[in-house]
Amino acid sequence: DIQMTQSPSSLSASVGDRVVISCRASQNIKNYLNWYHHQPGKAPKLLIYSASSLQSGVPSRFSGSGSGTGFTLTISGLQSEDIGTYYCQQTYSDSRTFGQGTKVEIK
Amino acid sequence: EVQLVESGGGLVRPGGSLRLSCSPSGFTFNFYAFHWVRQAPGKGLEYVATIRSDGGATYYADSVKGRFSISRDNSKSTLYLQMGRLRHEDMGVYFCARDNGDPIPAFDLWGPGTPVTVSS
Repeated sequence: DIQMTQSPSSLSASVGDRVVISCRASQNIKNYLNWYHHQPGKAPKLLIYSASSLQSGVPSRFSGSGSGTGFTLTISGLQSEDIGTYYCQQTYSDSRTFGQGTKVEIK
Repeated sequence: EVQLVESGGGLVRPGGSLRLSCSPSGFTFNFYAFHWVRQAPGKGLEYVATIRSDGGATYYADSVKGRFSISRDNSKSTLYLQMGRLRHEDMGVYFCARDNGDPIPAFDLWGPGTPVTVSS
């Protein structure tokens, strides 16, 4: 299976800060990389697909970049509603593995 | 409203079985592949299984292979997950998710989840 590794595991930032989350794949997955946001008790939400394409309805402060084995999710101006856990996911292989998650809190 | 709703979760003894269902509304069920994803208490999201739009192909995480079976009834617009030989580590919230498939597979719609507890 393709392993997905995120860093950091958690972070605390102030409202308005720029936040960057990294995701590394254990092999080349081209651009088959998605990002999700999940808050407790709610359905996960797709933010970014194909590494850098913004899902419809997602605020433009979210952006994604990367290809191959290294990817990043950037939040340009953290808002209070952005708290929760962020996951990367590869869909290059049939086993659609997720990263372990990055928990984002407000300082 | 476009949504997915899971049902069928509950308390089951180790070694027991349970069948989860997922019902869509607001879109054409037959057009899409679907997945099951779970979250154990205090843990992250874990991919469980996939079924293609025509039900012709299925895929499973190694952790559930041989014990779980994903299926769909396109005439009833319902997705299923039959879970057998349940273990403590299968406990958690189970989500169904739609795959938009274009330009790459991505889980663009999720249900709120149904909880599964494995305990004697």
